[in-house]
Amino acid sequence: AQSVTQPDIHITVSEGASLELRCNYSYGATPYLFWYVQSPGQGLQLLLKYFSGDTLVQGIKGFEAEFKRSQSSFNLRKPSVHWSDAAEYFCAVGAGGTSYGKLTFGQGTILTVHP
Amino acid sequence: NAGVTQTPKFQVLKTGQSMTLQCAQDMNHEYMSWYRQDPGMGLRLIHYSVGAGITDQGEVPNGYNVSRSTTEDFPLRLLSAAPSQTSVYFCASSQVRGMGGNTIYFGEGSWLTVV
Repeated sequence: AQSVTQPDIHITVSEGASLELRCNYSYGATPYLFWYVQSPGQGLQLLLKYFSGDTLVQGIKGFEAEFKRSQSSFNLRKPSVHWSDAAEYFCAVGAGGTSYGKLTFGQGTILTVHP
Repeated sequence: NAGVTQTPKFQVLKTGQSMTLQCAQDMNHEYMSWYRQDPGMGLRLIHYSVGAGITDQGEVPNGYNVSRSTTEDFPLRLLSAAPSQTSVYFCASSQVRGMGGNTIYFGEGSWLTVV
């Protein structure tokens, strides 16, 4: 069975500082990996996704993530955080075939940005 | 193009009542699913469907019923609401075939409180 762990429940950074949110997954084959962001009271917005090919994936809002098969990780990074990035971030892993949409989510990481 | 539409957005139920959360998509997606979101647990899959007439259970199906009579609609029924079903519910859809790179679209969520 697939699983996702986000080790950090809550992270606080200063505006302008760099950010890295950790995500570790467990899956038997090559996974489909996603990062979503959720602002309070809102739905989920896709930041980026990995399917195959280049292991460094660029997303929206200046985010990027790197797939490292040897470490079973898919960490999310941003070089300079803005106050509007404060939100909850979810990493998710998906299977292939007709199970494509069966996502398994991590517990989420809440990001607080100090001015 | 409305994407994935969920109704109602907010609902309060009494224990033992039944209700249906509606989900509709206008993208002709084969795959539709329902998740529930609880604090500290991320999103967990309740039920999913890979096409009209085909449904299957996810991780937390107990107390919920689904059907898929059309491609567009995937309602979630609470048979006898319990306080443990207080949660935020998200509907999602995606294509299945040619899945590499397909985006999984989420609705804006339905906030359900059972008292």
